[in-house]
Amino acid sequence: ETGVTQSPTHLIKTRGQQVTLRCSSQSGHNTVSWYQQALGQGPQFIFQYYREEENGRGNFPPRFSGLQFPNYSSELNVNALELDDSALYLCASSLGGGSTGNTIYFGEGSWLTVV
Amino acid sequence: AQSVTQLGSHVSVSEGALVLLRCNYSSSVPPYLFWYVQYPNQGLQLLLKYTSAATLVKGINGFEAEFKKSETSFHLTKPSAHMSDAAEYFCAVSDDNTDKLIFGTGTRLQVFP
Repeated sequence: ETGVTQSPTHLIKTRGQQVTLRCSSQSGHNTVSWYQQALGQGPQFIFQYYREEENGRGNFPPRFSGLQFPNYSSELNVNALELDDSALYLCASSLGGGSTGNTIYFGEGSWLTVV
Repeated sequence: AQSVTQLGSHVSVSEGALVLLRCNYSSSVPPYLFWYVQYPNQGLQLLLKYTSAATLVKGINGFEAEFKKSETSFHLTKPSAHMSDAAEYFCAVSDDNTDKLIFGTGTRLQVFP
């Protein structure tokens, strides 16, 4: 049990629709990162939020966007869904702030299927 | 840019045999290295991490890894495999000081009775 909770656990969307995934970080953690894990691959970094500000972004198009709230929970929004967006979306929380080697805890993920 | 390479997408061992999962890193500065395990249809669980305190790192479930700078390696080992160890294992490196992880492609471990 990592203390990182994600919702929903599974969802099916149609191509062109929009989706919002949610994450509650571990208590006391101010940094949330999102990863996309396609079937049979390693997780790929999407972006990170530190104290409500975006703090780094991977190679994902602008239709992938996010938010972090004052309680450090976070949302991942994906617009204009494409079939290739089908994947497991993982949320990770940590105590950032520029310190290094922090332990990074992952949630169970949200499985998104785009049809 | 930092990266990790996991050699062998599939590893099969017999129950009770040594487990060795390979990971090599590419970094111009001392990295922070992690091993995560992923059981079917689940998220990632941290096995262990290297943060330069000690080169031999002990983790959960009997796993350990040794940081070898001369070989740029951080291989994961377990003396005796259990059936419950069957899972996907990912090596990852932390990018600078942002808590961003760069993952390898993973190694699927199968354990046969």
